Amino acid sequence: KAGVTQTPRYLIKTRGQQVTLSCSPISGHRSVSWYQQTPGQGLQFLFEYFSETQRNKGNFPGRFSGRQFSNSRSEMNVSTLELGDSALYLCASSPLFAGGGQETQYFGPGTRLLVL
Amino acid sequence: AQSVTQLGSHVSVSEGALVLLRCNYSSSVPPYLFWYVQYPNQGLQLLLKYTSAATLVKGINGFEAEFKKSETSFHLTKPSAHMSDAAEYFCAVSAIFTGAGSYQLTFGKGTKLSVIP
Repeated sequence: KAGVTQTPRYLIKTRGQQVTLSCSPISGHRSVSWYQQTPGQGLQFLFEYFSETQRNKGNFPGRFSGRQFSNSRSEMNVSTLELGDSALYLCASSPLFAGGGQETQYFGPGTRLLVL
Repeated sequence: AQSVTQLGSHVSVSEGALVLLRCNYSSSVPPYLFWYVQYPNQGLQLLLKYTSAATLVKGINGFEAEFKKSETSFHLTKPSAHMSDAAEYFCAVSAIFTGAGSYQLTFGKGTKLSVIP
């Protein structure tokens, strides 16, 4: 089975622009979660989508948004980019709603975003 | 609220020596606990997870972890380090919040393991 794929792998943007990242989960998985990883803050939970609905949200401003399509693929959008948004954005999928706690999440390789 | 503390941002061991990576958690409800490994320029890979079935959990690549409720710890060990174990390791806690019907997966800051030949 193919793993979680994320596109693009690398991205350079300038302040004020917006960006859309894509995540394709493992076939059959219905939950997609997004995380931001930075050297200073570590790994932080952004949000989780299950069956096209946002089920859980971390403590990030409204500039960060996402959606999930009927095929479980998910996109994350960041508007009005700031320098501090430079990070590795990781997507993870799980078969069922990860909100159950014990679901294993399978991570993609990430998209590295650099904001200049 | 829940939190994870990983003691030591960098740990160095000699090849063949014991690996011990420390993780302490805080959770107001019974937790699920995970260890993930991240190799350079890659995503996270699950090593093992604790879901209350057994306190000693065996994972992949010879790693294991023991859940100690009295010490709120979930330390990761491997009897003999291999060069390929050099990576960053993350401990994470996930807890169901009764009533809220949801969970949060909270990661520690990570421990970078170096293996000296």
